[in-house]
Amino acid sequence: EVVLTQSPGTLSLSPGERATLSCRASPSISSSSLAWYQQKPAQPPRLLIYDTSNRATGIPDRFSGSGSGTDFTLTISSLEPEDFAVYYCQQYGGSPRSFGQGTKLEIK
Amino acid sequence: QVQLVESGGGLVKPGGSLRLSCAASGFTFRDYYMIWIRQAPGRGLEWLSYISSGGSGMFYTDSVRGRFIISRDNVNKSLYLQMNSLRAEDTAVYYCARVEGRFSPKYMDVWGKGTTVTVSS
Repeated sequence: EVVLTQSPGTLSLSPGERATLSCRASPSISSSSLAWYQQKPAQPPRLLIYDTSNRATGIPDRFSGSGSGTDFTLTISSLEPEDFAVYYCQQYGGSPRSFGQGTKLEIK
Repeated sequence: QVQLVESGGGLVKPGGSLRLSCAASGFTFRDYYMIWIRQAPGRGLEWLSYISSGGSGMFYTDSVRGRFIISRDNVNKSLYLQMNSLRAEDTAVYYCARVEGRFSPKYMDVWGKGTTVTVSS
């Protein structure tokens, strides 16, 4: 079973700053088997990134994903007010599939 | 447009049953794995149960195996979740989602808005 651990639990930043969210897999997974989702209050999750680094349809290019093996990163280059939300990683390199516990990105 | 609409949630007593439905539109439903994911109040996302495009392959997470049954109707473009022996810990928002992945489930690119299930006496 693959366990995903996201860090930090909460990230406090200001609009315009760069956000770096981490997702660690144990054991390691295929480098192309990770997705990221954004969830705002009272809304379903929205797919941001799939196959580690591919942006989903309609996702702004300020969102980028990278990583391989055990360490994966979601980067938001310059935070917009609408980016403050909870972010989840999800792996599909192992069975059963699993989500990380989430990182809350809040306004500082 | 591509859309998923869940229904069937509500308040049920412990030990009771509920059947959730998810109506799909705007895409070729029979071509996709489909999944139910739930989110307990204030908690994260839980990968619950998925079903293959043709309906022959199913997966259940340990906490619901033997109590929940996933099914689909490709003619009527609908996904179902029969929930039996409900417990307080099944209280959550239940989302259906479309899964990308031709031969095995990968990631979810279309989500419904969710339906709320509350298990309480």
